[in-house]
Amino acid sequence: NAGVTQTPKFQVLKTGQSMTLQCAQDMNHEYMSWYRQDPGMGLRLIHYSVGAGITDQGEVPNGYNVSRSTTEDFPLRLLSAAPSQTSVYFCASSKQGARIDTQYFGPGTRLTVL
Amino acid sequence: AQKITQTQPGMFVQEKEAVTLDCTYDTSDQSYGLFWYKQPSSGEMIFLIYQGSYDEQNATEGRYSLNFQKARKSANLVISASQLGDSAMYFCAMREKGQGAQKLVFGQGTRLTINP
Repeated sequence: NAGVTQTPKFQVLKTGQSMTLQCAQDMNHEYMSWYRQDPGMGLRLIHYSVGAGITDQGEVPNGYNVSRSTTEDFPLRLLSAAPSQTSVYFCASSKQGARIDTQYFGPGTRLTVL
Repeated sequence: AQKITQTQPGMFVQEKEAVTLDCTYDTSDQSYGLFWYKQPSSGEMIFLIYQGSYDEQNATEGRYSLNFQKARKSANLVISASQLGDSAMYFCAMREKGQGAQKLVFGQGTRLTINP
């Protein structure tokens, strides 16, 4: 049971490049989310999903796309990277209907956009 | 809109002392959940403790307890008998019921340093 995994751990992009951050969970959780954490700040929600085929926007969705074709995977796409997207990205998952619906976080991806 | 405020950017505590990390929140919903997470220097987010708005007892998990004062809209984390390994960033977070755990709002965090 690996929990929530994210790849890559580190990535450097040039402005305008696109890429996909991968997230997978093996806990059969219905809910998955993407957050970004800027230096000295808390996490902010980018996009989330309540199940396969269902996604919605969070607080800071601009410049990012998501899809959820399976329960396990929730990739985050940067369409045209900008320096303002330099951040640490966390993927999280949680179980629907749990008494304490704690989110379990992946280890994070540190992204630098030059 | 939901908002979490952590007013202590940094705290310095002697080992074995108790420490209280402050968290106040703002919500118009009657049903919500409050979470505390620890983020060590390695960067991962570790869940510590949860308090539901209708829970009558303050939550406790080992050395962690949550001092929940609903009327004041505060949810302070208390760490008893602090250890060097408690040095980390601590985040308070909230989600409103009905939103599901996938929509958490975080505070800016408090950096806790335990001195030997």
